[in-house]
Amino acid sequence: AQSVTQLDSQVPVFEEAPVELRCNYSSSVSVYLFWYVQYPNQGLQLLLKYLSGSTLVESINGFEAEFNKSQTSFHLRKPSVHISDTAEYFCAVSPIQNNAGGTSYGKLTFGQGTILTVHP
Amino acid sequence: EAGVAQSPRYKIIEKRQSVAFWCNPISGHATLYWYQQILGQGPKLLIQFQNNGVVDDSQLPKDRFSAERLKGVDSTLKIQPAKLEDSAVYLCASSPFRPGRGGNTEAFFGQGTRLTVV
Repeated sequence: AQSVTQLDSQVPVFEEAPVELRCNYSSSVSVYLFWYVQYPNQGLQLLLKYLSGSTLVESINGFEAEFNKSQTSFHLRKPSVHISDTAEYFCAVSPIQNNAGGTSYGKLTFGQGTILTVHP
Repeated sequence: EAGVAQSPRYKIIEKRQSVAFWCNPISGHATLYWYQQILGQGPKLLIQFQNNGVVDDSQLPKDRFSAERLKGVDSTLKIQPAKLEDSAVYLCASSPFRPGRGGNTEAFFGQGTRLTVV
């Protein structure tokens, strides 16, 4: 079984300030790690993912996250936020599994979410 | 490419009534998921289908919830009878199925159906 803890339920910041959204996980098996974003009145969108290789992963809009296996963490950072980054962010894990010869990582365990509010 | 379609977007029912939600996944996606997102919480997986077969329904409250995926494409999730605590957003997601490891099998989510039980 897996569990995900997002340490902050709400994070208010001013525009152009740096931000870090914290995520810790627990799992008895190896997992893939994800950050999803949910903008107001929209569905969940994948922001970035860690599957293997370099522990630092980046998104196209300036977010990055670093997988730390020893601390079982996958914190999300951005050096300078914009008003448009206001949204709810969810950290999630998926067990590395092989279903009948294939892989599918939509079987996700989510954290409770962090609401990021960027003020002008 | 069309995304995951869900309907209705909103539904209000009285407790003990029945309700059904519909999901049309992205064309060609073999895997389909239903999640329940209660206000203030992250989504929780209810059921996973692989084509028209159930892979995991361990968190589905089977005394009142049921789901089917006829012909391995569209899926319906039903609640009968509904309780107040079923008020939530019900999310459908789909992903392709790729043999072997390393394939990109990201899950794509629909906008969800917001259910209010009064």
